Amino acid sequence: DQQVKQNSPSLSVQEGRISILNCDYTNSMFDYFLWYKKYPAEGPTFLISISSIKDKNEDGRFTVFLNKSAKHLSLHIVPSQPGDSAVYFCAASDKRSNFGNEKLTFGTGTRLTIIP
Amino acid sequence: KAGVTQTPRYLIKTRGQQVTLSCSPISGHRSVSWYQQTPGQGLQFLFEYFSETQRNKGNFPGRFSGRQFSNSRSEMNVSTLELGDSALYLCASSSGYPSGANVLTFGAGSRLTVL
Repeated sequence: DQQVKQNSPSLSVQEGRISILNCDYTNSMFDYFLWYKKYPAEGPTFLISISSIKDKNEDGRFTVFLNKSAKHLSLHIVPSQPGDSAVYFCAASDKRSNFGNEKLTFGTGTRLTIIP
Repeated sequence: KAGVTQTPRYLIKTRGQQVTLSCSPISGHRSVSWYQQTPGQGLQFLFEYFSETQRNKGNFPGRFSGRQFSNSRSEMNVSTLELGDSALYLCASSSGYPSGANVLTFGAGSRLTVL
């Protein structure tokens, strides 16, 4: 039962354009969402997060949008740069049933390729 | 400060054997979590330790176990290895305190191949 879904295994975007990565979830108890980026031979690195009490969070070129009614979140990267080429994982947690956010439910990832 | 260190980085085992993986968290972090990454499955939560106690557990069989030492270093063990255990095993650390959103810092992983 995949509670967090990333339906696009891959995405190619021209350098300088906007990259939009999507994520859907089924568990309505999730109240905290994160995006991680992973380069080959490295562990995932935290990118940006959003609490369920917000619908948008911005950090530089990265913006995450949360639509709770649709159980959907998206990550926007603008402008896209070659260094953004990586696998992006969406993750979610239910803080009420866990201590902190150590128990994350991850999607299967989207491989983003930025074309120079 | 030093990041999360996992050893060994690569290892090959045969079916039926057991394996122990080690993780040294970021200094000062008291929580260590373990995740399994396989193609098509994303990262799946194995378990989490905080102050030497297992605090959270995922849906893996009892062949997967772990422990945490007083210095917060952690080990995970997989007994009676199966072909399907071939995966990248990722360790992550955080402060572990429930006061807010704890961001996990991941190590580079231990890639296990079971033949």
